[in-house]
Parts: sequence; structure tokens; C-alpha cells
Amino acid sequence: GAGVSQSPSNKVTEKGKDVELRCDPISGHTALYWYRQSLGQGLEFLIYFQGNSAPDKSGLPSDRFSAERTGGSVSTLTIQRTQQEDSAVYLCASSLAGQGHFHTFGSGTRLTVV
Amino acid sequence: AQSVTQLGSHVSVSEGALVLLRCNYSSSVPPYLFWYVQYPNQGLQLLLKYTTGATLVKGINGFEAEFKKSETSFHLTKPSAHMSDAAEYFCAVSESSGYSTLTFGKGTMLLVSP
Repeated sequence: GAGVSQSPSNKVTEKGKDVELRCDPISGHTALYWYRQSLGQGLEFLIYFQGNSAPDKSGLPSDRFSAERTGGSVSTLTIQRTQQEDSAVYLCASSLAGQGHFHTFGSGTRLTVV
Repeated sequence: AQSVTQLGSHVSVSEGALVLLRCNYSSSVPPYLFWYVQYPNQGLQLLLKYTTGATLVKGINGFEAEFKKSETSFHLTKPSAHMSDAAEYFCAVSESSGYSTLTFGKGTMLLVSP
């Protein structure tokens, strides 16, 4: 696609429910990143994919968070048993191989846990 | 470890006035430096970047930034503010050209008054 696409753009969920956030990167971009933007914490790195593998998961805040990528394209970030502190904007970015510093960002998914 | 400090969570200027947003970084290796802008309910848009070479970098919308290694700074400037510049601005650093996550500052909200 022309840009990085994220869905849904907004999600309201009840505490304790599971949610899935989707990222469709730019075609041909082999690297994919998830970041979280929350009040008071700024932008935090969550996880990085190169192809379908995730060599760096160091930013995932707890074992309730997981992510996968299939076919070297679409990625899904799953949050299980959501908590209110999970409320944030989740941003996805992608880049070409070897150009990881040139991120192109999607518009994000705003998650609200009530 | 790399880090970014943005001085001032909010900066207010009048339309036509100079814009100066401050960014200082910490990095153990020569850094790549970035400024991103975020408009309400949108993702991050790259304003400009410094990788190597000329230390004065020009970006979109009339913005520029100067890399000063001795001061570990990468301040963003624009000679004359427009109302449309009102947004949140993020400074970011990365440490390699291959795989690299971005480390962001907390952001500075630019307010422009008529």
C-alpha cells in the first residue's frame, strides 16, 4: 500500500477483555515496529520484526502483550486481559531492510480501556 | 543507552515569530537524529533528519535543525511561525543504520497565537 495502515483507528474495550490491533506495512518493507504513546510516558518501543521473526521484544511491558507477523506483511498486536493502564495510542512503523532508522508511521490505534 | 531530552513540554509563540524547540541527546556512538511532527489524531510525520555530512539540516515546511556534537544538541527552528505549525513535535535518536529502534523525547506542544 501507499502508506502504513492501522486498524481500528479507535477501540474502546472493557477491562479484562482481549484486543487485537492490526498493522499493514508499506509493501516491500521488511522491518516492522510497534510503539506505544501514552500520557506521561511519551513514545515507547514495544517490539521489532524483521520478516516474520521478532529479534527484539524487549519493550513489551508484560506477558499480556504479544505480537505476530505473517507472510512478512501484516502484523497483529494482541493485549490480553486489558487493564486501564493499557490505554494509549499504539503506533506501527515500517522500513526497508537496512534502513531501520527511516521509519514510516501509521496513524495509530487509540485504545481506551474502561 | 541512548536518550533524548526536550526542554519545555509546551512552547507558545505568536504568528510570525521565531520558533525554537530544544532537543539534547545522549548516545554512546555517533547518532542519527530526527524531528517528527504529530497533528491531532494523526501519526508521526518526519520533518527532517541528520545522518552524516552537513550539520545544518533543512526539512519540510521551512523547518531546520543544526547538529552540534559539542553540545549534544539538535534544536529545531523556523524563522516565522504559521498557525498551521501548531502541533506536537518529537525529537528522536537512533544509533545504527541497519536495524534500529528510535528513542523519543517526551514531545513539545507548539502553540501559535494570532
